[in-house]
Amino acid sequence: DIQMTQSPSTLSASVGDRVTITCRASQSISNWLAWYQQTPGKAPKLLIYKASSLESGVPSRFSGSGSGTEFTLTISSLRPDDFATYYCQQYYTHWTFGQGTKVEIK
Amino acid sequence: EVQLVDSGGGLVQPGRSLRLSCATSGFTFGDYAMSWVRQAPGKGLEWVGFIRSKSYGGTTEYAASVKGRFTISRDVSKTIAYLQMNSLKTEDTAVYYCTRARGFRGIVFDYWGQGTLVTVSS
Repeated sequence: DIQMTQSPSTLSASVGDRVTITCRASQSISNWLAWYQQTPGKAPKLLIYKASSLESGVPSRFSGSGSGTEFTLTISSLRPDDFATYYCQQYYTHWTFGQGTKVEIK
Repeated sequence: EVQLVDSGGGLVQPGRSLRLSCATSGFTFGDYAMSWVRQAPGKGLEWVGFIRSKSYGGTTEYAASVKGRFTISRDVSKTIAYLQMNSLKTEDTAVYYCTRARGFRGIVFDYWGQGTLVTVSS
């Protein structure tokens, strides 16, 4: 099974900050990687697919990059409704999620 | 507007069965694969299972943790997906989300239901 590891587990930031979350795969997954955002009590929301493609309706302050085994999600300028937990997901073989990164208010 | 509504969760004893439903609208249900993802209380996301569209054989795949106990099916006429859960264990306690699965070679979960809580306890 492909394992996904995110870092950090928790990130403290302020509104307006640039934030970067890293996701590593245990083997190469090409660019078959997605990022999801989840707020408490809600279902996850697809943000990015194929490592760097922005899902329709998602603000352009979100961006993704990477290929192979290392990927990043960047929020260029943090907004109040961006405080949430973010998950990466590989879909190269079946589907595996990272453990999540909680972005909290500093 | 695409909508997925999960239902059927509740409290069930270990070893018993439960069937979850995912009622959909706003898209051509028969053209899409569907999947189920769960989240144990305070934990991360875990993929549970997947069913292809009829065009791709309607076949299913399951995570190792539920294989042989859970079964996904779909009723195209009612536009509902189901998750039949048998021989439930306490570790199956989670919020269960159905998702629409988009793509062919690379399949992502682009729409999610609101989730339904399954609690397995004696």
